[in-house]
Amino acid sequence: QVQLQQSGAELAKPGTSVKLSCKASGYTFTSYYIYWVKQRPGQGLEWIGYIYPGNGGTYYSEKFKGKATFTADTSSSTAYMLLGSLTPEDSAYYFCARQGFGVMDAWGQGASVTVSS
Amino acid sequence: DTVLTQSPALAVSPGERVSISCRASEGVNSYMHWYQQKPGQQPKLLIYKASNLASGVPARFSGSGSGTDFTLTIDPVEADDTATYFCQQSWNELTFGSGTKLEIK
Repeated sequence: QVQLQQSGAELAKPGTSVKLSCKASGYTFTSYYIYWVKQRPGQGLEWIGYIYPGNGGTYYSEKFKGKATFTADTSSSTAYMLLGSLTPEDSAYYFCARQGFGVMDAWGQGASVTVSS
Repeated sequence: DTVLTQSPALAVSPGERVSISCRASEGVNSYMHWYQQKPGQQPKLLIYKASNLASGVPARFSGSGSGTDFTLTIDPVEADDTATYFCQQSWNELTFGSGTKLEIK
């Protein structure tokens, strides 16, 4: 079955970076987009953007340009998101999701990022 | 950005029918989708393109609407349906509604 396994919780200091991973299994990694979504505690969902592992193409929503960078390693079927210049407003859960038929039909379990000095 | 507006919360009793609404600030054709998120879990796709039931989702869930007004219906509601329900459009970039928290009395 389709599974997306995300890396664990991160605690980082302001101004630093964290790199989250999302390992896919159960489907052809290079044939589907991987989306990234942010959720602050008790709040809604924000779409960050996507990467298409088939050709490495990326797209970032306006708000996250310069904040997030997506990469993918097709040899390990793993997508990555680098979050840079961290501030307390970046403290949140981050989800990866597979885009199938234009919707996010499978989600990772989420990874918590806490930014604190 | 296309803003999606949802009611913040609803409370219903088991066995009842509940409708959760989502209004878009501009037309999104039929590119509206619904997700269920239980506390501490990732979202789960319920309905795609307004009215299509995702794989493995019980037929108690259904979706309707087009343009700017959309509805997710659960009939009958069960205790396990306690969750927050988000709508999401993919017609104009991608945005989510703020979510409707459903409480089962």
